[in-house]
Amino acid sequence: SQTIHQWPATLVQPVGSPLSLECTVEGTSNPNLYWYRQAAGRGLQLLFYSVGIGQISSEVPQNLSASRPQDRQFILSSKKLLLSDSGFYLCAWNDRAGNTIYFGEGSWLTVV
Amino acid sequence: SQKIEQNSEALNIQEGKTATLTCNYTNYSPAYLQWYRQDPGRGPVFLLLIRENEKEKRKERLKVTFDTTLKQSLFHITASQPADSATYLCALDPFSGGYNKLIFGAGTRLAVHP
Repeated sequence: SQTIHQWPATLVQPVGSPLSLECTVEGTSNPNLYWYRQAAGRGLQLLFYSVGIGQISSEVPQNLSASRPQDRQFILSSKKLLLSDSGFYLCAWNDRAGNTIYFGEGSWLTVV
Repeated sequence: SQKIEQNSEALNIQEGKTATLTCNYTNYSPAYLQWYRQDPGRGPVFLLLIRENEKEKRKERLKVTFDTTLKQSLFHITASQPADSATYLCALDPFSGGYNKLIFGAGTRLAVHP
């Protein structure tokens, strides 16, 4: 069966520090991969999606970037965090034929 | 503008009653709509998908309706239990295909009281 792992689960970072959130999917190949952010009381906002290695599309302009160095690995990064980057970040995947998206457990980021 | 609206107020109901949650959307013509459950501090979990040509979909105690004329989906939980307490999100793909870039509502929090 397919599984998705996301880490770290929680982190507190100072303003201006770098960020790296990692996500891996197991049990499937060539998945679509997504990064979402959820602010308190808000809906899920799609940040990035990827249909293949090295192929990244950004949905909103922001202080973040994403990379897909391997087929089942998706990384969310920032060179310098802002207070507004705080939130709940979710990695997700689906296969090319499916409509349903499967989410990881999420990463809580607090920028102080 | 395009948007999805769910009741932002929490829904409080008594155990055993039927919970009904509403999802309204504007300026989309989705081929399908999905419902997810999210527990505090966890990622959303898929529950049901209903297509535009389906009026109703059922799964155990869950029922979803989809009215493309009203641009509305209703999500029902019958014989509700305290374990059903969670936030429920509706989502749709505005492009009905491609990369499945789901757009989510903000969710409605359901609290089922014993």
